[in-house]
Amino acid sequence: GAGVSQSPSNKVTEKGKDVELRCDPISGHTALYWYRQSLGQGLEFLIYFQGNSAPDKSGLPSDRFSAERTGGSVSTLTIQRTQQEDSAVYLCASSLASAAYGYTFGSGTRLTVV
Amino acid sequence: AQTVTQSQPEMSVQEAETVTLSCTYDTSENNYYLFWYKQPPSRQMILVIRQEAYKQQNATENRFSVNFQKAAKSFSLKISDSQLGDTAMYFCAFPRRDSGAGSYQLTFGKGTKLSVIP
Repeated sequence: GAGVSQSPSNKVTEKGKDVELRCDPISGHTALYWYRQSLGQGLEFLIYFQGNSAPDKSGLPSDRFSAERTGGSVSTLTIQRTQQEDSAVYLCASSLASAAYGYTFGSGTRLTVV
Repeated sequence: AQTVTQSQPEMSVQEAETVTLSCTYDTSENNYYLFWYKQPPSRQMILVIRQEAYKQQNATENRFSVNFQKAAKSFSLKISDSQLGDTAMYFCAFPRRDSGAGSYQLTFGKGTKLSVIP
């Protein structure tokens, strides 16, 4: 597509429920990234996919967080047993092979855990 | 460790005036890129400008320019003729190499909230 698409735009969930956030990157971009942005804060790296290589999961805050990327394109970030501290904006970005050239971001998913 | 520091949490500027946002970083690498991103209230992160470290000439994009001081590891953003639409969070970013995974991820500063006042 023309840009990075994320869905849903907003998600309200009850504490303890599982949620899935979706990211559809720019066609031809082999790298895909997930970041988390808490209210008024900077961006916290979560996970990185590059082509068919094993993902870099070093930023995932706990084992409740997981992500997959199917067919080298669409990615899903799953948060199990959501907690109130998981409330944040989750941003997805994609890039050509290396982040050295910068990312293109989606509009993010605002997750609110009540 | 590679870090990015933005020391100005908030700034304001009168419309049509010029404002400079500061950013410093720490790296042991010699060739790299630096970025400024803008995040308006719509929360869409937009790439404003990119600087290549091996180029001595400062990057310019219309009203946006950088003052890149490689030795001082400083990368400031100057916005000339400020417009109301420039009101946003501005993030400085640097590609950090993960030595374990061998991959690069952008590391972001904590941001500067810029308000343009009519």
